[in-house]
Amino acid sequence: DVKVTQSSRYLVKRTGEKVFLECVQDMDHENMFWYRQDPGLGLRLIYFSYDVKMKEKGDIPEGYSVSREKKERFSLILESASTNQTSMYLCASSPRSPPDSYFGPGTRLTVL
Amino acid sequence: GQQVMQIPQYQHVQEGEDFTTYCNSSTTLSNIQWYKQRPGGHPVFLIQLVKSGEVKKQKRLTFQFGEAKKNSSLHITATQTTDVGTYFCAGRDYGQNFVFGPGTRLSVLP
Repeated sequence: DVKVTQSSRYLVKRTGEKVFLECVQDMDHENMFWYRQDPGLGLRLIYFSYDVKMKEKGDIPEGYSVSREKKERFSLILESASTNQTSMYLCASSPRSPPDSYFGPGTRLTVL
Repeated sequence: GQQVMQIPQYQHVQEGEDFTTYCNSSTTLSNIQWYKQRPGGHPVFLIQLVKSGEVKKQKRLTFQFGEAKKNSSLHITATQTTDVGTYFCAGRDYGQNFVFGPGTRLSVLP
């Protein structure tokens, strides 16, 4: 079974703090993704990576950065958290083919 | 940019009734995927459709990909309470962008 884990299920941070969200997958998948999920907006792609040290902007990259130093780990960084970044963050991984995604359990981030 | 819409946004059905959600893309898709997310859970991959006009079945679920590869549907026959959740389509265009629809939230009343 594919396993995608995220470092925290719930996180509370203050405005201006630097926030790290970690995602690890154990299936040697090439592709990894970070989404945020907000009511009525579905899943929106923040960043994705198709290989180690490679990253591509998704639809809403502003305010976020990512790091992929190892194949199994994809980190999402909020350099200076803001209240509009309160959301559910979902990490996913997929093989190059077939590219079906496997999601982690999500991190519910609240920025006060 | 590419947009993916889903209708309806919410659907309440009586157990045993059928349910259909529709997914429409603003651009032609190379493939489309469907996911189910249970309340409090994370999206789980259901199926991928690639060919124009393709129809696939998984037990009570029937998935269709339109002839023009711009729309898709998911039909559930005789819903059960275990079908409760949000169903997302996700379309990949030929530029390899991958966009999720907003989802259809299904409630099944016993």
